[in-house]
Amino acid sequence: DIQLTQSPSFLSASVGDRVTITCRASQGISSYLAWYQQKPGKAPKLLIQVASTLQSGVPSRFSGSGSGTEFTLTISSLQPEDFATYYCQQINNYPLTFGGGTKVEIK
Amino acid sequence: QVQLQESGPGLVKPAETLSLICTVSGDSISGYHWSWIRQPPGKGLEWIGYIYSSGSTDYNPSLKSRVTISVDTSKNQFSLNLSSVTAADTAVYFCARGLSRNYNFFDFWGQGTLVTVSS
Repeated sequence: DIQLTQSPSFLSASVGDRVTITCRASQGISSYLAWYQQKPGKAPKLLIQVASTLQSGVPSRFSGSGSGTEFTLTISSLQPEDFATYYCQQINNYPLTFGGGTKVEIK
Repeated sequence: QVQLQESGPGLVKPAETLSLICTVSGDSISGYHWSWIRQPPGKGLEWIGYIYSSGSTDYNPSLKSRVTISVDTSKNQFSLNLSSVTAADTAVYFCARGLSRNYNFFDFWGQGTLVTVSS
């Protein structure tokens, strides 16, 4: 199985901060990576697919980059509604796997 | 707008079979991958398996011996059976749609249903 390691696992930030989350894959996965946002009690929401393609309706302050084994999710200016847990997911190999999550909390 | 809704018992006894149904509305079930994903309380996400609308399946090897996913295109539903459950199977279970035939990212999700395994 491909392991996805997210860092940090917890992040404390203020509104307006630039935030970067990293996802490292245990082997190369090309660009077959997505990012999701999950709020408490809700289903995850797809933000970015194939590493850098923003889903329709997702604010442009979210961006993704990377390929191979290292990927990043950047929020350019953190908004109150962005406080949530973020997960990466790979589809390069089955079984599909997710990272352990990064919880973004208010400083 | 595609909507997915999980249904099934919220409490299952140890050693019994967990059975859930996902009803899809707003689009046909044909032409997509449909997955089950679970999340133990306070933990991360685990992909259980998928079924394509044609009926082909793939399961997570960690659960493969206990999982069956089936589809009923006439009802626009797909279902999950997980046998011989233990407390470790207690989780919120989500159903989700794969973005496209080639990209099994999950663009639509059900709200999730908590299944507790307890006697």
